Amino acid sequence: KNEVEQSPQNLTAQEGEFITINCSYSVGISALHWLQQHPGGGIVSLFMLSSGKKKHGRLIATINIQEKHSSLHITASHPRDSAVYICAVVVSGTYKYIFGTGTRLKVLA
Amino acid sequence: NAGVTQTPKFRILKIGQSMTLQCTQDMNHNYMYWYRQDPGMGLKLIYYSVGAGITDKGEVPNGYNVSRSTTEDFPLRLELAAPSQTSVYFCASSYWAGGYNEQFFGPGTRLTVL
Repeated sequence: KNEVEQSPQNLTAQEGEFITINCSYSVGISALHWLQQHPGGGIVSLFMLSSGKKKHGRLIATINIQEKHSSLHITASHPRDSAVYICAVVVSGTYKYIFGTGTRLKVLA
Repeated sequence: NAGVTQTPKFRILKIGQSMTLQCTQDMNHNYMYWYRQDPGMGLKLIYYSVGAGITDKGEVPNGYNVSRSTTEDFPLRLELAAPSQTSVYFCASSYWAGGYNEQFFGPGTRLTVL
């Protein structure tokens, strides 16, 4: 079993829908990092969080440290949100990242 | 600030050829990393460096070498390229001195070995 699991692996939505991507982990962490990767593109940072909730525009990220779970929400989704969303955890007390395998999102117009 | 830059963006190599992937950061970060990204897999750490002159192996170091002569640069060398090294390579950097570690990623190098 992977130490970082994301669900779903693939997701297709209609424009305007509310989207949730989940990330569960089994190791102790100091923080969790949500990343975005457009097709053929680089990796862009969305959120780094160690507790609670963060919001940026239409994106919201939450984390529950006790349950070892984080969610990334996209409100009013748009075709430009189509990308792979990657969850990575920072192992507690170390430099080390462990990456999920990503969620491939496609938003249809 | 340019952040983390990588060159080249794309490269096709023949089996047995060698090449160097370049990575530079201008954020004065102490840690630098090389990852590879294969389809359906999470990023895997190849090598990392905690400062100039200090490097160490990650999870998948075989077939690669690195050096870090300056804080800014962390080149990755492929010797005797093999088809199994076809992948997307990402360089990243961070400043870590305890606490939590936020990594910043370069745009990637797409390498095909034929």
